Amino acid sequence: DAGVTQSPTHLIKTRGQQVTLRCSPKSGHDTVSWYQQALGQGPQFIFQYYEEEERQRGNFPDRFSGHQFPNYSSELNVNALLLGDSALYLCASSYSGQGELQLNTEAFFGQGTRLTVV
Amino acid sequence: GEDVEQSLFLSVREGDSSVINCTYTDSSSTYLYWYKQEPGAGLQLLTYIFSNMDMKQDQRLTVLLNKKDKHLSLRIADTQTGDSAIYFCAESRYSSASKIIFGSGTRLSIRP
Repeated sequence: DAGVTQSPTHLIKTRGQQVTLRCSPKSGHDTVSWYQQALGQGPQFIFQYYEEEERQRGNFPDRFSGHQFPNYSSELNVNALLLGDSALYLCASSYSGQGELQLNTEAFFGQGTRLTVV
Repeated sequence: GEDVEQSLFLSVREGDSSVINCTYTDSSSTYLYWYKQEPGAGLQLLTYIFSNMDMKQDQRLTVLLNKKDKHLSLRIADTQTGDSAIYFCAESRYSSASKIIFGSGTRLSIRP
């Protein structure tokens, strides 16, 4: 089991450009959450996708959008990049369906994509 | 509101116990977590505790929860150099399948 995989690992973009980050969840997981971790800070929740729809959203502008595919993988898109969007973007997968409680208690995180906006 | 606060730094001598403290504000928090992040790595869940528990022990790790004061602590016994990392306190209302609120992290450094 490869766990949660994210691509690319590093990315450099110019202010004003658009970027797409990708995430493949852990096998058996159906929910993908995205987090932004600025340098020296804890991760901040961007949004969560379940059954190909955005289920929850944090306090992020509409420039941040996402998508979930039928195979549960997900993309995070950021438009009109700002210097302040430079951060580590983490994807977490989990299982929201019916099942034993302990299956619902752990979100597995990927290694992240380090985005630098110049 | 939802907020999680923790101290930024902790330095301990190798072999001593480390205690990392955290406070949270959301009284609806059901799950409380401790995550570990090593340089260049993602987040690793160390342990979690349900809000109806007071304590949980897992090998060298002991988690204490004071729900009345909304205070959570993580004790690492016999701290080793491999424990050097940033430790994040976090909470969620339902489970980690829902939105997780993280603190800013405590950087633990180990002195020889």
